[in-house]
Amino acid sequence: EAGVAQSPRYKIIEKRQSVAFWCNPISGHATLYWYQQILGQGPKLLIQFQNNGVVDDSQLPKDRFSAERLKGVDSTLKIQPAKLEDSAVYLCASSLGFRLAGADTQYFGPGTRLTVL
Amino acid sequence: KQEVTQIPAALSVPEGENLVLNCSFTDSAIYNLQWFRQDPGKGLTSLLLIQSSQREQTSGRLNASLDKSSGRSTLYIAASQPGDSATYLCAVETAGTALIFGKGTTLSVSS
Repeated sequence: EAGVAQSPRYKIIEKRQSVAFWCNPISGHATLYWYQQILGQGPKLLIQFQNNGVVDDSQLPKDRFSAERLKGVDSTLKIQPAKLEDSAVYLCASSLGFRLAGADTQYFGPGTRLTVL
Repeated sequence: KQEVTQIPAALSVPEGENLVLNCSFTDSAIYNLQWFRQDPGKGLTSLLLIQSSQREQTSGRLNASLDKSSGRSTLYIAASQPGDSATYLCAVETAGTALIFGKGTTLSVSS
């Protein structure tokens, strides 16, 4: 079974530039998550989709971050304009969308490491 | 607001040693608690998941316990190996929220 795919794996940009990340979840997974992981911290949820609807985007800085999940499959996360503090690893995860044996297990992609100079 | 704390932040041990990683959380009303492993440049791999009704879970040399009333979990690694070197993250799932993670414990096992 193919895992969660993300691209690019690495990205270096200047502050105030724009950047976009792509995620392809595991086939059949209804729920998709984007997390931000700053160096030395645990991942923090940015946005959660159920199919193509937003479930939780309370921690997404909406003045500069946007995300979409067209047709309930692939998703893109965009930052415009980027700031120095956006340097982090951006992790995508997916899950079935319902509890199986008490948990809706999330499967994580390898992440995109963003460096903002 | 749920907060997850992991102690220690870093740990170095010689190969073969048994070790314990600690995780604490402030809100005991959780669905489950998970331990993840993260290797440099890679995503997270789920190691063990303990549901709120369970006390412990075991997988090979790993054993995780959960004391929901005191807001604590431990991950026990037996007979550590250099291949166990990684960052270990604890995360809890609470009603109405996605996973809340601790900052992790970075483990280094020397041969």
